[in-house]
Amino acid sequence: QVQLVQSGAEVKKPGASVKVSCKASGYTFTSYDIQWVRQATGQGLQWMGWMNPNSGDTGYAERFQGRVTMSRNTSISTAYMELSSVRSDDTAVYYCGRGSGWIDNWGQGTLVTVSS
Amino acid sequence: DIQMTQSPSSLSASVGDRVTITCRASQDISTHVAWFQQKPGKVPKVLIYGASTLQSGVPSRFSGSGSGTDFTLTLSSLQPEDVATYYCQKYDSAPRSFGQGTRVEIK
Repeated sequence: QVQLVQSGAEVKKPGASVKVSCKASGYTFTSYDIQWVRQATGQGLQWMGWMNPNSGDTGYAERFQGRVTMSRNTSISTAYMELSSVRSDDTAVYYCGRGSGWIDNWGQGTLVTVSS
Repeated sequence: DIQMTQSPSSLSASVGDRVTITCRASQDISTHVAWFQQKPGKVPKVLIYGASTLQSGVPSRFSGSGSGTDFTLTLSSLQPEDVATYYCQKYDSAPRSFGQGTRVEIK
């Protein structure tokens, strides 16, 4: 079955970078985009961007441009999302999702806490 | 960017009631809309894609309709296990943004 398994919770100080991984299994990793979505506590879903694991092409939401980098390692079927210069309002659960259109499978989420 | 405006932000209905949630796109997005359910503390789950196609395994009381700019998610008979927040997502092009969410509660 399709599974996306994300890395564990992170605590970062303001100004640092955080990198979240998303390991895919149960399907051909290069056949579907990976999307990243975040959700602050009690808030809605915020789409961050997408990556084509085959070509490496990416597209980011405007509000994250310049701070987010999405990448992959196809040899281990793993996607990454790195967010730099984090601040307190980046505290959220970060999800990866499989889907070249809608997201049909989601990772379990990774809590990133930004605190001094 | 195309905006997705979802309404209402919350609703309270009785078991067995018909519930309707709407999403309006600021431009024509054909039928490139999906609907998700997120129960408290859980990961979102897709209910509908292509505006009206029911994801396998989703109860038939859920249905979706619409095209162009106006889309609707309908629960024909609200059940206690449907308490959740529901989101629409556009996926015609980037950004594949979500609506603001609708929290559904039992009266």
